[in-house]
Amino acid sequence: DAKTTQPNSMESNEEEPVHLPCNHSTISGTDYIHWYRQLPSQGPEYVIHGLTSNVNNRMASLAIAEDRKSSTLILHRATLRDAAVYYCILRDPTQGGSEKLVFGKGTKLTVNP
Amino acid sequence: EPEVTQTPSHQVTQMGQEVILRCVPISNHLYFYWYRQILGQKVEFLVSFYNNEISEKSEIFDDQFSVERPDGSNFTLKIRSTKLEDSAMYFCASSEGFGNQPQHFGDGTRLSIL
Repeated sequence: DAKTTQPNSMESNEEEPVHLPCNHSTISGTDYIHWYRQLPSQGPEYVIHGLTSNVNNRMASLAIAEDRKSSTLILHRATLRDAAVYYCILRDPTQGGSEKLVFGKGTKLTVNP
Repeated sequence: EPEVTQTPSHQVTQMGQEVILRCVPISNHLYFYWYRQILGQKVEFLVSFYNNEISEKSEIFDDQFSVERPDGSNFTLKIRSTKLEDSAMYFCASSEGFGNQPQHFGDGTRLSIL
């Protein structure tokens, strides 16, 4: 399984932007970058995914480096509800790729009021 | 918004007993998964299920574990003879398809083995 590296923890203030980094230097050409988050006492929740271009949805934006060896999840205005563990996960959607999500330790985001 | 529901939210069982954890995936989803998270540790994949059979399983998913989709709505995980180390949060997930389709998770069943 391709490996990702994330900081153990980050802190932010409410209503400020948050940039959560992820390194994936061994990413293969067919790997997509997925982000999930896990709020306290809940199951993981899908946030966003992308291949090469930057992606936006109602929850967040995903900025992917040109060489694809790193990416950044951007929360434009953090709220208290965004306090969670954020996981960066590589997935290969091609035939023969695994269906499982491989979770690392993720980044624990604390949002201060 | 449709969601994955899991019951019970907390199950307490004596070591050696059988336990069945239940899940109702999102209705039009075709792929089903079980994961577990031991307290303070990573979320770990157990098994995936498609077209009424196991499509992938991890080393954790040994002969003590089984999965079933007994009807059109439920998806169950059975542990035949529970051990202390089976104590964990068990998450069910489902997805519409394979590949980049997001997996939607339930809020889990906390399994405590005494």
